[in-house]
Amino acid sequence: DTGVSQDPRHKITKRGQNVTFRCDPISEHNRLYWYRQTLGQGPEFLTYFQNEAQLEKSRLLSDRFSAERPKGSFSTLEIQRTEQGDSAMYLCASSLGQGADTIYFGEGSWLTVV
Amino acid sequence: GNSVTQMEGPVTLSEEAFLTINCTYTATGYPSLFWYVQYPGEGLQLLLKATKADDKGSNKGFEATYRKETTSFHLEKGSVQVSDSAVYFCALGTAGGYNKLIFGAGTRLAVHP
Repeated sequence: DTGVSQDPRHKITKRGQNVTFRCDPISEHNRLYWYRQTLGQGPEFLTYFQNEAQLEKSRLLSDRFSAERPKGSFSTLEIQRTEQGDSAMYLCASSLGQGADTIYFGEGSWLTVV
Repeated sequence: GNSVTQMEGPVTLSEEAFLTINCTYTATGYPSLFWYVQYPGEGLQLLLKATKADDKGSNKGFEATYRKETTSFHLEKGSVQVSDSAVYFCALGTAGGYNKLIFGAGTRLAVHP
């Protein structure tokens, strides 16, 4: 079963460092999403790709955050100059790309900024 | 704007008890509604969904009915098991071509033998 794969699963970094997370969506899924989840809260939408095009970005995605999906397959989420408030789980999800289709989530990448 | 409100947890039940987790929403248009479950140490899994008013989603003994008149999508199960212990998230998918999910804060369920 090849679901949504995220790497790394856990990352501890010092404040001010840059981190990058990778997401491999389910094969043939055109849509890819990034969400952020903090302890005790539900996931919050960050950004959405249709193939390689980034079509929507949340206001939560400050200019220190950048997401790419260069070939319309895997995606990366980079956080520059990390802050303690960036500590969260970063979830990637994908869907086929047909109307209001089912979204499948990966297991997430935990970020701890110390 | 669009939002989802869930009952606060934790909900603690004995095995075989009846479960209800309340969920209400505010939305423009006609969103799809979802319940996701997150088991300890795992990612979110879709539990069930309903795409229009009066639809009933069901899976693994869980069910929820899309009630437009009360803007609700309450999750129910007739007899819970210890293995149902998890965090349950209600979500709505915004209309307009693709699903941008808006989640509630989650409700933790603990089932004891």
